Amino acid sequence: DAGVTQSPTHLIKTRGQQVTLRCSPKSGHDTVSWYQQALGQGPQFIFQYYEEEERQRGNFPDRFSGHQFPNYSSELNVNALLLGDSALYLCASSSGPRAYEQYFGPGTRLTVT
Amino acid sequence: GIQVEQSPPDLILQEGANSTRRCNFSDSVNNLQWFHQNPWGQLINLFYIPSGTKQNGRLSATTVATERYSLLYISSSQTTDSGVYFCAVEQRETSGSRLTFGEGTQLTVNP
Repeated sequence: DAGVTQSPTHLIKTRGQQVTLRCSPKSGHDTVSWYQQALGQGPQFIFQYYEEEERQRGNFPDRFSGHQFPNYSSELNVNALLLGDSALYLCASSSGPRAYEQYFGPGTRLTVT
Repeated sequence: GIQVEQSPPDLILQEGANSTRRCNFSDSVNNLQWFHQNPWGQLINLFYIPSGTKQNGRLSATTVATERYSLLYISSSQTTDSGVYFCAVEQRETSGSRLTFGEGTQLTVNP
């Protein structure tokens, strides 16, 4: 049973650049949520995708955008990177947008210099 | 928005000890999950527990939804239990849902 996968594992970018992170959901899941985790803090909800549409959005600027593909995989895009965007980005999948349990991938660690 | 508070922020134990950590939340929630985050950042599902009590080996969890708190209990701690334990509550809205996390309890188990 394939779990949630994310790529890349690590990424180093320069301030002002753009980045794309990728997520494949757990087998049988159709909903993907993205979270940002700064060092020493709990994860913060960015947005949720279901049926290729953004269903919920947290308190993040428009520089953060996403996409979901017909195979349920998802991308997180961040434009005009700031130093404060350095964090662990976690993807979670579930069976439906109002689901009972979310399962997380291993994360992508983004460093902005 | 909903507030989630976890206590204590840190626990340092000797191998074999028992411990409890608490999660308080400020509003009604649809569901609650406990996670263990290992040193590599992976969040591992421990319990999905909107109410009641569940046990899985040395771990058990209890959620009292009417009083807005949950407890996670670990018995006979092992060094591999070290890491951060997060409580997350789910607010389910018309179009979707989101998890709101607490700040976590950092557990260190010494041999």
